[in-house]
Amino acid sequence: QVQLQQSGPGLVKPSQTLSLTCAISGDSVSSNSVAWNWIRQSPSRGLEWLGRTYYRSKWYNDYAVSVKSRITVNPDTSKNHFSLQLNSVTPEDTAVYYCARELWYSSSSFAFDVWGQGTMVTVSS
Amino acid sequence: QSVLTQPPSVSAAPGQKVTISCSGSSSNIGSNYVSWYQQLPGTAPKLLIYDNNKRPSGIPDRFSGSKSGTSATLGITGLQTGDEADYYCGTWDSSLSDGRVFGTGTKVTVL
Repeated sequence: QVQLQQSGPGLVKPSQTLSLTCAISGDSVSSNSVAWNWIRQSPSRGLEWLGRTYYRSKWYNDYAVSVKSRITVNPDTSKNHFSLQLNSVTPEDTAVYYCARELWYSSSSFAFDVWGQGTMVTVSS
Repeated sequence: QSVLTQPPSVSAAPGQKVTISCSGSSSNIGSNYVSWYQQLPGTAPKLLIYDNNKRPSGIPDRFSGSKSGTSATLGITGLQTGDEADYYCGTWDSSLSDGRVFGTGTKVTVL
């Protein structure tokens, strides 16, 4: 059974960097049929996809246009986890952050089938 | 912010049926598969439907999905109090560089 365990601080100061980690058990961050995602949820923005990393003979990343200049999603094969870094945060980045596995059923079909427990991150001084 | 539109809320009595619509465009629902998620209060979303109408193992057949054109629908029959939750549709949008998108969410209330 695949499980995702999130860790990281719940309070970040404005202009600083938000950093979260998602530890994977029951699967590999290097798996060829999945991607590893970060998604956040707030009352004002709803569910918002932020970005992902995945391995297909080499590593790839995709990021949402809204955060592309500020975000990095990195895999760590030695620890079998992946991380989120969001730079220059503002109070608008306050949200519950989730990591999620994206399972590809075919070349054109996917779904988020496993989710982390969520981390409430507040941006405040 | 969401590019997929859902009704804010739907309600019905126990045992009845509800349907939730998800409206998009040709660049998202119109050309890609849709998935549906259930979010119980205080928990992470849970996958209910993928590939428009397929249920993962363990999801009861009271939950069903369909798609037509640029809209998708989630149906819940035999409504139970445990079905009270928020429901979200999701897909990708070909105009957003493989960006994944979600619906605005629908609160299901069991009367």
